Amino acid sequence: RKEVEQDPGPFNVPEGATVAFNCTYSNSASQSFFWYRQDCRKEPKLLMSVYSSGNEDGRFTAQLNRASQYISLLIRDSKLSDSATYLCVVNTNTGNQFYFGTGTSLTVIP
Amino acid sequence: DAGVTQSPTHLIKTRGQHVTLRCSPISGHKSVSWYQQVLGQGPQFIFQYYEKEERGRGNFPDRFSARQFPNYSSELNVNALLLGDSALYLCASTPRNWDDEQYFGPGTRLTVT
Repeated sequence: RKEVEQDPGPFNVPEGATVAFNCTYSNSASQSFFWYRQDCRKEPKLLMSVYSSGNEDGRFTAQLNRASQYISLLIRDSKLSDSATYLCVVNTNTGNQFYFGTGTSLTVIP
Repeated sequence: DAGVTQSPTHLIKTRGQHVTLRCSPISGHKSVSWYQQVLGQGPQFIFQYYEKEERGRGNFPDRFSARQFPNYSSELNVNALLLGDSALYLCASTPRNWDDEQYFGPGTRLTVT
């Protein structure tokens, strides 16, 4: 079983739409959670950390559900510039490893 | 300030050869991690080094090795290259310990023919 699982999509949404991504993780001892964004043929860049209480950064909201072992990312009022692959990342306390999901592809259509 | 730098940018090798990839972390960062990203997949963790010691190792064969130097730069070595080693190799640095946010370099694209 994979440590982190994501729906690869693709998600094709019109400008202004709201879109949500979910990600599940298998290790209940996981400590830290992140969403990264990766543009085509570029390196991943941190979008936001995910805190237990949930957190919001402008149009982006991240949630963590430890009981069900999933994290989510909500993007409101989608912009063309949001088109990218969104990677869910989980860090466990065993072996100091960061586990990445396969990524969810988002295309925002004019 | 300069970000994470990696060299070379692109590399073409043949099966059986070995390769050395290099990474310089952000100034002041003491931890470096290496990842392999195959097309269409997320990055897969290979190694993490902190203060010149190996702190984490992913599920990769012994053909993969790495080290970190006193200036915190790092090298990833891959021996006996296989076609399946073709990938983007990413280096990431963090200031201190293993649960900090990671800052990625642009990667080295390795093609094995």
